This record gives sequence, C-alpha cells and structure tokens, in this order.
Amino acid sequence: NAGVTQTPKFQVLKTGQSMTLQCAQDMNHNSMYWYRQDPGMGLRLIYYSASEGTTDKGEVPNGYNVSRLNKREFSLRLESAAPSQTSVYFCASSEARASNQPQHFGDGTRLSIL
Amino acid sequence: TQLLEQSPQFLSIQEGENLTVYCNSSSVFSSLQWYRQEPGEGPVLLVTVVTGGEVKKLKRLTFQFGDARKDSSLHITAAQPGDTGLYLCAPRMTTDSWGKLQFGAGTQVVVTP
Repeated sequence: NAGVTQTPKFQVLKTGQSMTLQCAQDMNHNSMYWYRQDPGMGLRLIYYSASEGTTDKGEVPNGYNVSRLNKREFSLRLESAAPSQTSVYFCASSEARASNQPQHFGDGTRLSIL
Repeated sequence: TQLLEQSPQFLSIQEGENLTVYCNSSSVFSSLQWYRQEPGEGPVLLVTVVTGGEVKKLKRLTFQFGDARKDSSLHITAAQPGDTGLYLCAPRMTTDSWGKLQFGAGTQVVVTP
C-alpha cells in the first residue's frame, strides 16, 4: 500500500529558484495538508485543503502556494526560494477535516536552499 | 496558534526503564492525538483521546488525557530500543473552528540496549 507519496525526497536549490513539491494519496481521502518541520519547532501547517477544489492558509503560508489538482494530488510551490525555507516538508491526508481519524503522512521532502 | 508545550525535549534511558512524556497547554483540547516519528519517515498515529480523564493502553504504552482536557501524558513501561523515536502530541483546540491539529515540538526518546 503506497499511502501518501511525496516527490522528490531530496532537493537542493539556490536562492531565488522555484520548484514544486508533489504529493499524492491513494486512500480516497478528502482532506490534505502541507507541513514543514524544523528542529525544536514541531510540525507547522503551511496550507490545507478540506476537499477537492478548496485550499486555505495555515500557520506559515508566506512564500508558498498550493494547488489541489484533484482528489488525489496536492502540490506545494515555492516561487522564489529563500534560505529560511530550508526545512523538511511533509504532506498528509485524512478522511475529513475536524475528525478524529488519523492524518497519514508521507516520508517527507528534505529541501535545502543555498 | 495556542501555546503548546512538550516536555522533556530529550530523554535518553536504558532498556527496561520507564519513562513519561508530557503535553501541556493553557487552552482546552477538544481531542488529542499522539504520533511517533522515526528518522527519515513521517509521523504515525499511536492513539486518539477524546474524553477528559481517559486512559488508553497500547501494549507497554499508556496514554492519559487530563480531566480538564488541557494536558496529556504518555508513559512507557520497560522501554525497548524499538521505542526510540520522536513523540509528538497533536491536540485539536476548542478555539479552532476548523478543527486543525496543532503539533508540539516533540520529545526525542532514545532507548539504549
């Protein structure tokens, strides 16, 4: 079972470059999320999508954009990468928002901005 | 974002010892989940607690939800090297109308043989 698949697993960018992080889930979940994880700060929500066709800002949205391409896919774009965006990025999905069902996470994308 | 504190930040113990990690806030939780994260992987759900005072057991792990639903604890009995990982608490705050999870910074647990 694939669950949540993130690509790429590793990426190094130069300041000012752009890139898109891809995420796909095969569990027919309605809600999807993008988090970043930094040492000592836990997981912080960047954007989320309650259902196909909707997206909303989370705690740290500045410098990012998202697209919910269809029910399976939710991408995160960095338009002009900055060193402060060096982090590990996780995509997650769940059956529905505000439920007590688990969030299922991918294995992360490790992104370094030089 | 409400203040959420996990303690301790780091815990190193020998196999067979017991340990407890804590998750606290000044805000009331509508529910709380505990996740474990291993290196190079995403977090995986361990348990969900919903009712104040609730206690749940998962093999050697015991989870407790505070009576006032402002805190939770995770106790591991006779820890094993396989328990090594980052333990994250993730409550839903009653003040968040959307019901998003808020993740703590985590407690890094290292169990040595």
